[in-house]
Amino acid sequence: AQTVTQSQPEMSVQEAETVTLSCTYDTSENNYYLFWYKQPPSRQMILVIRQEAYKQQNATENRFSVNFQKAAKSFSLKISDSQLGDTAMYFCAFMTFNTGTASKLTFGTGTRLQVTL
Amino acid sequence: DADVTQTPRNRITKTGKRIMLECSQTKGHDRMYWYRQDPGLGLRLIYYSFDVKDINKGEISDGYSVSRQAQAKFSLSLESAIPNQTALYFCATSDYRRSSDTQYFGPGTRLTVL
Repeated sequence: AQTVTQSQPEMSVQEAETVTLSCTYDTSENNYYLFWYKQPPSRQMILVIRQEAYKQQNATENRFSVNFQKAAKSFSLKISDSQLGDTAMYFCAFMTFNTGTASKLTFGTGTRLQVTL
Repeated sequence: DADVTQTPRNRITKTGKRIMLECSQTKGHDRMYWYRQDPGLGLRLIYYSFDVKDINKGEISDGYSVSRQAQAKFSLSLESAIPNQTALYFCATSDYRRSSDTQYFGPGTRLTVL
């Protein structure tokens, strides 16, 4: 079974600064995807970024980037130039790559990020 | 309009009542999912459906049932609601062919069982 661990329950960052959220996972699979989802106070789950395990290059989406270390099973999220709208709960998630069955997401317990003035 | 919609958005009910939560999508995805979110536990999978004729149990299916009425509709039922089913419920959709099975979530339904 896969497990996802987010060891930082809460973090705080000042506006315009950079923050890194940590995530580690455990799996015996070789082909998989990793995700970061954002859940603002509106409670909507919003996809932030996705990383395919077979790609060595770290994914980036505007101010969001990841540091994917496959051997260490680590997948951290870096938010640059933090904005007040980044205040949210952030979930790391793991998905095995199954062509024959619906792929299932395993979520971490989340990190609550507060962006302050 | 939102691609994945859930109704109702909020519901308060009493122990023993039957409740149905509905999910509709306009993304054209074939796969649909129901998750439950509890504080401190992240999201956990209740049921998922590969297509209209395929229904599968997730990790916490006891006390729940589902119906896939059409490709675009996936309903979750609580036959006899109990207080520990109070939670935030999410529907999600995905399509392996077009987006490598990345899951997109609806806005959630907050259910309270008294």
